[in-house]
Amino acid sequence: AQSVTQLGSHVSVSEGALVLLRCNYSSSVPPYLFWYVQYPNQGLQLLLKYTSAATLVKGINGFEAEFKKSETSFHLTKPSAHMSDAAEYFCAVNKAGTASKLTFGTGTRLQVTL
Amino acid sequence: GAVVSQHPSWVICKSGTSVKIECRSLDFQATTMFWYRQFPKQSLMLMATSNEGSKATYEQGVEKDKFLINHASLTLSTLTVTSAHPEDSSFYICSAVSTGTRPDTQYFGPGTRLTVL
Repeated sequence: AQSVTQLGSHVSVSEGALVLLRCNYSSSVPPYLFWYVQYPNQGLQLLLKYTSAATLVKGINGFEAEFKKSETSFHLTKPSAHMSDAAEYFCAVNKAGTASKLTFGTGTRLQVTL
Repeated sequence: GAVVSQHPSWVICKSGTSVKIECRSLDFQATTMFWYRQFPKQSLMLMATSNEGSKATYEQGVEKDKFLINHASLTLSTLTVTSAHPEDSSFYICSAVSTGTRPDTQYFGPGTRLTVL
């Protein structure tokens, strides 16, 4: 069985500040890990993914995440927040392989203030 | 690339009627598509896995006779909510997995908001 836990359902940062969204995973098999972003009333957009290649993964919009097996973590970071980053962020996991179902975390709402 | 569309984006129907939602992969072929349900301010819950040319696999607790899924081609899957009731009101999102170079990634549609009166 696989699961992800997102710590903090709501994170607020100032514009220009560091963004850190936390995700810890549990998996009995090698995992693939994903971060998705969802804007209001929209579907999910893939930010980045870890598929057992480089442990530091760079994604779109300046986001990156580091896979740390020893800590079972896959935290999402961005050096400088922008107002347009305000959205809901979901961490997800599936089995390393093809077309297997994703298990999502509960989501973290990022608020960016002036 | 990797665009998934859903139609309609928003539908309102009366209790007892059926509603069909389409999910299309526009620029790639998808052997597998997934259907999710999302309640307000909550995460996505997988409802079923749809495989082209075969019966869908439903998650535990999802009524297969109520949520009919058809995956008739490599670019189209449909979800029909039969005899809809107010408790079926939700945001339904599909995703598709490419059969090509990125089989490990799900690409999501924009979602369909269903309101049952």
